[in-house]
Amino acid sequence: GAGVSQSPSNKVTEKGKDVELRCDPISGHTALYWYRQRLGQGLEFLIYFQGNSAPDKSGLPSDRFSAERTGESVSTLTIQRTQQEDSAVYLCASSSQADNTGELFFGEGSRLTVL
Amino acid sequence: KNEVEQSPQNLTAQEGEFITINCSYSVGISALHWLQQHPGGGIVSLFMLSSGKKKHGRLIATINIQEKHSSLHITASHPRDSAVYICAVGGGANSKLTFGKGITLSVRP
Repeated sequence: GAGVSQSPSNKVTEKGKDVELRCDPISGHTALYWYRQRLGQGLEFLIYFQGNSAPDKSGLPSDRFSAERTGESVSTLTIQRTQQEDSAVYLCASSSQADNTGELFFGEGSRLTVL
Repeated sequence: KNEVEQSPQNLTAQEGEFITINCSYSVGISALHWLQQHPGGGIVSLFMLSSGKKKHGRLIATINIQEKHSSLHITASHPRDSAVYICAVGGGANSKLTFGKGITLSVRP
């Protein structure tokens, strides 16, 4: 596709349920980021994938959060046993350069609401 | 760990004013990004800088590597420039970007 695609755009779930969010980066982009943005807050780093290197998971807030990416394709972010504090917009971004010198392209985000 | 500070935190300007937004970081970097987030959430990339200065329309971005500082200037500001401006820095290959908290700019007509 022409841009970074994220799905679903909106997700409402009950506390304790698992959710899976998907990011389809721009074709050929080796770098992929997941961020979280709570209402009125700044971007919070979650995880970074760079090609076949081991992902940087240092931003994942708890072991309920996990993410996968196969090669340079789609990534999924999974949140298990969701809590109300997980409510946020989850943003994905991709870039063509490994050294952070490429332009960043953001998806529209997946808005998660945990009731 | 790179610390990214943006100032001022909030900024209000009158239409037509020249606006400067600042970003400082603590550790040497390979690239600095300026991003814009409009109400409603979409984030777009404005500039990527590794040295010097870039200009696009009414926007100018500069970086001083020695002082670890970048500025984003908006000339002839307009209400449509109202947005959150975010600075992000990157340390090189296979290192994640570190984001500032963003500055909320409001331009009044």
